[in-house]
Amino acid sequence: GAGVSQSPSNKVTEKGKDVELRCDPISGHTALYWYRQSLGQGLEFLIYFQGNSAPDKSGLPSDRFSAERTGGSVSTLTIQRTQQEDSAVYLCASSPRGGGTNLGGSPLHFGNGTRLTVT
Amino acid sequence: EDQVTQSPEALRLQEGESSSLNCSYTVSGLRGLFWYRQDPGKGPEFLFTLYSAGEEKEKERLKATLTKKESFLHITAPKPEDSATYLCAVQVKRGYQKVTFGTGTKLQVIP
Repeated sequence: GAGVSQSPSNKVTEKGKDVELRCDPISGHTALYWYRQSLGQGLEFLIYFQGNSAPDKSGLPSDRFSAERTGGSVSTLTIQRTQQEDSAVYLCASSPRGGGTNLGGSPLHFGNGTRLTVT
Repeated sequence: EDQVTQSPEALRLQEGESSSLNCSYTVSGLRGLFWYRQDPGKGPEFLFTLYSAGEEKEKERLKATLTKKESFLHITAPKPEDSATYLCAVQVKRGYQKVTFGTGTKLQVIP
């Protein structure tokens, strides 16, 4: 089936505006992750969902950032009052099982990201 | 705190010149170590999972190995199409599968 789909692929917004980024995971994947990747940097963990709940929100940089997931499927990452330092590529990934398998962890499958530019 | 360190940051090879990328990790209870490839403008693409020390996985010109402290990605006779950033990530045995990434090695293979 289809892979992880993210939209929009590119977003340019003015400082102070709110933005919504969407992630459509692979069908049947219960775990969903958001990461942020700044130019030349590694992947910074933002939030993890298991089903519709978020056991770990520890990576959200500030209270301007929030995320939700509905129906155990689509997730939306919202950034309020955007700042220039929010400019980055926002990546979403999904995984089949929250607890991995008997052999160990389950790899994450990534979308191609949303490139956010705040002017 | 879980830490993942990759070296070198960048590597330039001539086509056919074999080399290795390193991923050192410090975690309490490794569930799995992953290698990904990332091309410009794309999301990371999954390559391998390694679960325990001594394990090896191969795919075409790539071979990944794992010890208790580090993993190596060996590239044999690379081609220009192998040029990409290679990311290492670890997943730990804690309530849920948090995945921590290294900052990657940018590989350039010159024809």
